[in-house]
Amino acid sequence: GAVVSQHPSWVICKSGTSVKIECRSLDFQATTMFWYRQFPKQSLMLMATSNEGSKATYEQGVEKDKFLINHASLTLSTLTVTSAHPEDSSFYICSAPGQFSYNEQFFGPGTRLTVL
Amino acid sequence: EDKVVQSPLSLVVHEGDTVTLNCSYEVTNFRSLLWYKQEKKAPTFLFMLTSSGIEKKSGRLSSILDKKELFSILNITATQTGDSAVYLCAVNTGNQFYFGTGTSLTVIP
Repeated sequence: GAVVSQHPSWVICKSGTSVKIECRSLDFQATTMFWYRQFPKQSLMLMATSNEGSKATYEQGVEKDKFLINHASLTLSTLTVTSAHPEDSSFYICSAPGQFSYNEQFFGPGTRLTVL
Repeated sequence: EDKVVQSPLSLVVHEGDTVTLNCSYEVTNFRSLLWYKQEKKAPTFLFMLTSSGIEKKSGRLSSILDKKELFSILNITATQTGDSAVYLCAVNTGNQFYFGTGTSLTVIP
């Protein structure tokens, strides 16, 4: 089946630094990828929709300048958390829809970000 | 290789029916199993299971985990059209989540 990977799987950084998270579709092309953030009580919040070759679509309340998304190719989307602060500490998860149906989503394993 | 497998991939039922969705897993460091309902934008959290044999219940939905046989089931009784969605199962190993590809449930009036 289709596989989505994320790198790194976990990262610890100092407050004020920027962190880049990669999301790759390993054996299929993904013109669209989704970025989620996991909050306490396990809820997932959609942050943005990453579109290959065009600007990402951000959900209301998500700061575009803080969470930079670049969909560089048909298999890679990156999320950069700029000037990270402790409140940005969370799991960040990406997913990509199947080639034939948006009902089928392939999720990455997530990246645990800890900002000190 | 760590993995989560859900079955069936899709299901069509009539209102009032009871459905059982399955999630089996193989992971090296199990911490918890989570069920989500995805309708539109983001999955909605339903249950988190950590212990075998203890049923979690919320209205018409219930779920149970079997850590010996490595699976969980999600039951929905008296289904309604609003239950139509993709149901996702995910296993947390501490530093990673492993998601199944989901079961697409369609409830016909």
